[in-house]
Amino acid sequence: GAGVSQSPSNKVTEKGKDVELRCDPISGHTALYWYRQRLGQGLEFLIYFQGNSAPDKSGLPSDRFSAERTGESVSTLTIQRTQQEDSAVYLCASSLRTTSYNEQFFGPGTRLTVL
Amino acid sequence: GENVEQHPSTLSVQEGDSAVIKCTYSDSASNYFPWYKQELGKGPQLIIDIRSNVGEKKDQRIAVTLNKTAKHFSLHITETQPEDSAVYFCAASIVGAGSYQLTFGKGTKLSVIP
Repeated sequence: GAGVSQSPSNKVTEKGKDVELRCDPISGHTALYWYRQRLGQGLEFLIYFQGNSAPDKSGLPSDRFSAERTGESVSTLTIQRTQQEDSAVYLCASSLRTTSYNEQFFGPGTRLTVL
Repeated sequence: GENVEQHPSTLSVQEGDSAVIKCTYSDSASNYFPWYKQELGKGPQLIIDIRSNVGEKKDQRIAVTLNKTAKHFSLHITETQPEDSAVYFCAASIVGAGSYQLTFGKGTKLSVIP
C-alpha cells in the first residue's frame, strides 16, 4: 500500500520568508511525528500528534515553528520568518500507536534550504 | 530526557565481513530500541527492533543485542554486501507512556567495499 508521502521534496526559500511543509500519513495511522535532520546528524523530534489529543510540542525549537493536523489525516509544518539554521531535511513519520509496538514509518522528507 | 550515543560514526568493511554498531542510552525507562537504515535521499526504514524483555533478536543476516543493565544495544550485520552500504541509526523510546517519540543516535555511515 501507499507509504508516507511528503511535499514538496525540495524547497528553497529566502531568509525571512514563511514555508509550509506537508505530510500525508499512512491511512489508518493514528500517530504522526515530525523530525528534523540536519546535515550529518541524527533525527531531532519536533512534534507529535495522536488522534484528537493535544499534540506534544516539546521538541519545537522556537515559536517560529508550528504544526497542525486535521483528525487523523494530513499534517502541515509551518516555519515562519525562516533563518539559515532552519536548513535541514524535515521528516514525517506515522505509526499505529499501541501499548506494545511503535514502528514508525517515515516519508522521504522535504529538504529545506534557506538562503 | 533520553540521550542516545552511537559509535562509530563511520565504518568501512570488506564485503563478506561483519559490521558492528554500538549504542548507549541514558533513560532506564526506555523499553523499545529500533534500528533504521537510511539510503541517500530517502527516509529511514526500520530494519530490526528489540524490546526490553528480550536480550537478542535475529533476522537473517542482522541481529540486535540488548544489555539493559549496562544500557547499551548493538547491531550486528554478518556477511556484508555492497547493498548494505547506508547510514544506520539506533533509537530509543518509551512505549506505553507519553508520545512514544524516538530519540536517535547521530548515525553510522557504513561502507561495504566490494
